Amino acid sequence: EPEVTQTPSHQVTQMGQEVILRCVPISNHLYFYWYRQILGQKVEFLVSFYNNEISEKSEIFDDQFSVERPDGSNFTLKIRSTKLEDSAMYFCASAYKDTEAFFGQGTRLTVV
Amino acid sequence: LAKTTQPISMDSYEGQEVNITCSHNNIATNDYITWYQQFPSQGPRFIIQGYKTKVTNEVASLFIPADRKSSTLSLPRVSLSDTAVYYCLVGGMDSSYKLIFGSGTRLLVRP
Repeated sequence: EPEVTQTPSHQVTQMGQEVILRCVPISNHLYFYWYRQILGQKVEFLVSFYNNEISEKSEIFDDQFSVERPDGSNFTLKIRSTKLEDSAMYFCASAYKDTEAFFGQGTRLTVV
Repeated sequence: LAKTTQPISMDSYEGQEVNITCSHNNIATNDYITWYQQFPSQGPRFIIQGYKTKVTNEVASLFIPADRKSSTLSLPRVSLSDTAVYYCLVGGMDSSYKLIFGSGTRLLVRP
């Protein structure tokens, strides 16, 4: 069964450093998403990406964040100048139609 | 986007049927209702989606009344492995490109 894959599974970074979280969506999907989940809290929408551009973003997704689809397969989330409060699970998702999304297993980001 | 309201938690026992109801009073005409399941430290997993009446798949059933202001996810004969958080989402192609998760319902299945 096709799946969304995310790398790395766990990343530890120092405060102020930049991190890039990587995702390989399901190959024929058209809609791509990033979500985050702080430990014990709900899944929060960050950004959606369609037709090679951001279609929606939340208030969390400020200038510190950026997304890219550099080639036909990868979808990345870059977090510049990480803060302690950026520590969370980050989930990538993709969908052929935007109402049935398939999620990856997540990247646990720990900022120290 | 329509806001959803679900119970914070539910308890059940193995072998019982569990029904989780979600309220979405402001659902739009083009909105679908979708349920996801999430285990700890894993990404949400799609369970079922519907627009109206009843939808059934190998995992669950989804009941949607005529006014569509609520929906009920029915899990037949739950097992311990069904212990998870269940999210009700409302949205669709015409309303938004994003899926907004509420707080979900934490289901605990006891032996």
